[in-house]
Amino acid sequence: AQKITQTQPGMFVQEKEAVTLDCTYDTSDPSYGLFWYKQPSSGEMIFLIYQGSYDQQNATEGRYSLNFQKARKSANLVISASQLGDSAMYFCAMSDNTGTASKLTFGTGTRLQVTL
Amino acid sequence: DAGVIQSPRHEVTEMGQEVTLRCKPISGHDYLFWYRQTMMRGLELLIYFNNNVPIDDSGMPEDRFSAKMPNASFSTLKIQPSEPRDSAVYFCASVSGTSGGIRQFFGPGTRLTVL
Repeated sequence: AQKITQTQPGMFVQEKEAVTLDCTYDTSDPSYGLFWYKQPSSGEMIFLIYQGSYDQQNATEGRYSLNFQKARKSANLVISASQLGDSAMYFCAMSDNTGTASKLTFGTGTRLQVTL
Repeated sequence: DAGVIQSPRHEVTEMGQEVTLRCKPISGHDYLFWYRQTMMRGLELLIYFNNNVPIDDSGMPEDRFSAKMPNASFSTLKIQPSEPRDSAVYFCASVSGTSGGIRQFFGPGTRLTVL
């Protein structure tokens, strides 16, 4: 069975600073995908970034990057130059394959608060 | 593109009543997922469909829950009878597997309150 662990219930970061949100995962499958979603207070789920287990390079999407350390089974999200609008819940999730649609297993989330 | 559409956005009902949640996936998407979000259990998959066929319903809590996808553009999640512990936000998500999509597009969710 797959498992996602997010150990930081809440994080604070100052505007314009970088922040790292931790995510570790457990799976026996060699093929999997790792995702990060943002959930603002309005409630919608917004896709941020994806990393496949066979991808050699860390994924990047604008100010978001995924620090993928396969041996450590970690997939941390790095947000550079934080903005007030980044305040939200952030969920790490994984799928049981890569390159095709599959169900997601979510972590418990990290609430990020960006301060002035 | 209208995105994934869910209705109603909010539903308040009394214990024992039947509740039907509706979802319209993005046109052309062949996978549809139903998730539930609660404070206690977080986000969890209930069931998902591929080409209107249920593939994995292992997350459906019990017989009170049922889901259907009669065609490619419509799915329902029904709870009968509803109980207070069913109170949650129910999300529908879709993705196009045939075009190699992996990113799931989520609907705005239905907030269900069972009194």
